[in-house]
Amino acid sequence: GAGVSQTPSNKVTEKGKYVELRCDPISGHTALYWYRQSLGQGPEFLIYFQGTGAADDSGLPNDRFFAVRPEGSVSTLKIQRTERGDSAVYLCATRRDSNTDTQYFGPGTRLTVL
Amino acid sequence: KQEVTQIPAALSVPEGENLVLNCSFTDSAIYNLQWFRQDPGKGLTSLLLIQSSQREQTSGRLNASLDKSSGRSTLYIAASQPGDSATYLCAVLGRDDKIIFGKGTRLHILP
Repeated sequence: GAGVSQTPSNKVTEKGKYVELRCDPISGHTALYWYRQSLGQGPEFLIYFQGTGAADDSGLPNDRFFAVRPEGSVSTLKIQRTERGDSAVYLCATRRDSNTDTQYFGPGTRLTVL
Repeated sequence: KQEVTQIPAALSVPEGENLVLNCSFTDSAIYNLQWFRQDPGKGLTSLLLIQSSQREQTSGRLNASLDKSSGRSTLYIAASQPGDSATYLCAVLGRDDKIIFGKGTRLHILP
């Protein structure tokens, strides 16, 4: 497809479980961002990749959250020992390579922790 | 630390009126500013991107301005329509390559 895709679109899990959320960027986009959006709030920065490396992970709330991008394309956000407070929409955005380019967002994954 | 504020948080206007949404940011060292639209339960749709060297961008009935020195941007919507009802988000890309969003303005256009 032409856009950023995210899977699954919805994920319901129980407290304490492990989840993985996937982001497929637009082909050729080197910059990739993960955001978390709670109801009624703007997206909150989590982590930024430039290529394969995490250039800035200062937004990850704690060590239960981890993200990888091993080949510089697909990225996976991993959450261990999920808590009810992790429930939110997780958004992925990608950008070609220049900081003058537009950021394109995926549709998000709605995570619900019961 | 960059902070982005959007005022008002919510706005209801009759169809056909022109309106202005406001965005302010605390750190003027930005690469660009982008306005997005978000419909309920949906992802973000990019409306306009203004580079730090630009003053404004236009697309159809939308016009966005940027005053980097004062840390302000406005989104002007002309001749509003019910289909314009959505949440409008402002986001800045800083020199640290981090994108920071405001909390959005929920716009409701009354038929």
